[in-house]
Amino acid sequence: SQQGEEDPQALSIQEGENATMNCSYKTSINNLQWYRQNSGRGLVHLILIRSNEREKHSGRLRVTLDTSKKSSSLLITASRAADTASYFCATVASGGTSYGKLTFGQGTILTVHP
Amino acid sequence: ETGVTQTPRHLVMGMTNKKSLKCEQHLGHNAMYWYKQSAKKPLELMFVYSLEERVENNSVPSRFSPECPNSSHLFLHLHTLQPEDSALYLCASSHFSRLQETQYFGPGTRLLVL
Repeated sequence: SQQGEEDPQALSIQEGENATMNCSYKTSINNLQWYRQNSGRGLVHLILIRSNEREKHSGRLRVTLDTSKKSSSLLITASRAADTASYFCATVASGGTSYGKLTFGQGTILTVHP
Repeated sequence: ETGVTQTPRHLVMGMTNKKSLKCEQHLGHNAMYWYKQSAKKPLELMFVYSLEERVENNSVPSRFSPECPNSSHLFLHLHTLQPEDSALYLCASSHFSRLQETQYFGPGTRLLVL
């Protein structure tokens, strides 16, 4: 199975509500990243959290990392219709390669209704 | 705009055709990546170039041939493709000195093989 599996696969909420997406992975990581993709477009980096960090904020985004459970969560507060997109977590394994090999999950499709 | 451009944005080709996808980055990066995104599958890393040298060939069929003539340009040459190769092909770039950091993605080329 894939490193970086998101849960839920799809999430539908109303504008103003919070959205929480979870990601689980299997191997030790150097860092974990969250990306956003609007339909059929490229990915946009949202936030990076290192293995020695537990929580990180960026605007309305809050990411947590629990390395003991090999899991991460992305919280989007006060969601907007413009947040409608697919959200992916991606991990960079610790050790191993000398370059940035990202391993992606299947993503969570978030729909925010106005 | 992420600073990574891809052309063409859409491509329809027959199985006997030869075509090329082009990626250009304007970020001063010197690591570049090709990913394949198929429906209902996670992003798959295809190739990585670091300082213009291929450092990863992720078991990709030989009908896909990458080329990196300099640190700003990356090509993916396609020949005798199969219908299952239809997908969104994404290019990304990152800093060599920070290879485990953020990758910046282009908008992708939507490829349809008939």
